[in-house]
Amino acid sequence: AQSVTQPDIHITVSEGASLELRCNYSYGATPYLFWYVQSPGQGLQLLLKYFSGDTLVQGIKGFEAEFKRSQSSFNLRKPSVHWSDAAEYFCAVWRDDYKLSFGAGTTVTVRA
Amino acid sequence: GAGVSQSPSNKVTEKGKDVELRCDPISGHTALYWYRQSLGQGLEFLIYFQGNSAPDKSGLPSDRFSAERTGGSVSTLTIQRTQQEDSAVYLCASSFEGQGGYGYTFGSGTRLTVV
Repeated sequence: AQSVTQPDIHITVSEGASLELRCNYSYGATPYLFWYVQSPGQGLQLLLKYFSGDTLVQGIKGFEAEFKRSQSSFNLRKPSVHWSDAAEYFCAVWRDDYKLSFGAGTTVTVRA
Repeated sequence: GAGVSQSPSNKVTEKGKDVELRCDPISGHTALYWYRQSLGQGLEFLIYFQGNSAPDKSGLPSDRFSAERTGGSVSTLTIQRTQQEDSAVYLCASSFEGQGGYGYTFGSGTRLTVV
């Protein structure tokens, strides 16, 4: 079965510092992978997605993610975080039965 | 519409009452999904609509939950005889048919509190 694991429940980072959120997937074929962000009281917003091709994917808000097949990972990065990046981040894999399967999420706190 | 619209944004109800949650997807999106987000439980798939039919209801947690979609557009999720464990954020998402693999567009959710 396809699944997604986000090992970090909560990360605290200083404003201006770099951020990396981990995501590992279990899937038997080439996965479709996504990162979503959820600000407090809001729905989920798509940050970026990977289908094939270039393994480094650029997204909105200055985020990027790198697909590494050998490590079954799709980690999200941002070189310099802003206070507005405080949110919950979800990694997801597209299941070929039309469902998105989500990780448990990582909450990011940004300190001044 | 321009985005996925959900109403109400917040709902407080007494245990045992019925509630209806509404989702208005992006115009032209034929696929519609309901998810539930509970504290500490992550995002749980509830039901998927393809047009007006629901080929997958496997995520509905009990027979107190039902959903329908009319006109290939608006969907209503109904919870009968609400229980405290139904308290959660209910998220709706939509996509073009067969293009869910490109990512869904989510609404802002309905926060349901059962007291």
